Amino acid sequence: EVQLVESGGGLVKPGGSLRLSCAVSGSTFSNAWMSWIRQAPGKGLEWVGLIKSETDGGTIDYAAPVKGRFTISRDDSKNTLYLQMNSLKTEDTALYYCATDFWFYFEHWGRGTLVTVSS
Amino acid sequence: DIVLTQSPATLSLSPGERATLSCGASQSVNGNYLAWYQQKPGLAPRLLIFDASSRATGIPDRFSGSGSGTDFTLTISRLEPEDFAVYYCQAYGGSRIFTFGPGTKVDIK
Repeated sequence: EVQLVESGGGLVKPGGSLRLSCAVSGSTFSNAWMSWIRQAPGKGLEWVGLIKSETDGGTIDYAAPVKGRFTISRDDSKNTLYLQMNSLKTEDTALYYCATDFWFYFEHWGRGTLVTVSS
Repeated sequence: DIVLTQSPATLSLSPGERATLSCGASQSVNGNYLAWYQQKPGLAPRLLIFDASSRATGIPDRFSGSGSGTDFTLTISRLEPEDFAVYYCQAYGGSRIFTFGPGTKVDIK
């Protein structure tokens, strides 16, 4: 069974930084394409970004609202996905999920980690 | 980028009834790369349907998807108590961009 566990969320001031982690077990992480998806409180889902496997080039793509501020990376030796978030804004407040990509979709999801950006 | 709309925003039905949820795209969804997810309160979304009409692993056959181009439908043939939730459609718009619709809440009448 594939399991994803996010961590690293918390309260941060506007302009601050935070790094989220997503530990993956039960699958061959190194072959997996991975995404971050967020959900503001009481709102819908928003794709944040994707990282391909290293064997598929390791390409990284971001949604427009986070491009230039967020960085996705992976450590295949630790089966872990990361999201470095800089220059945080109040509108970045959300529950952040990691998910495995299944072709053009998101198959396995973690339970999320909450990021609150507030002064 | 593709913009998705979903209707209705809320659907109030009774267990055993048929639910029909719509998802519209601002431009044709290439390859019909359209998925549906179910989300219950406090839980992560669950993939139900991909490629517009293929059921994901373990999804009951009362869930079905249809449509192509810009108009897609999720049908739940007979609502079970556990089906009351929020449903999102999601499209791959090319250029490695993924878009979600705003969601339809199916609640108990």
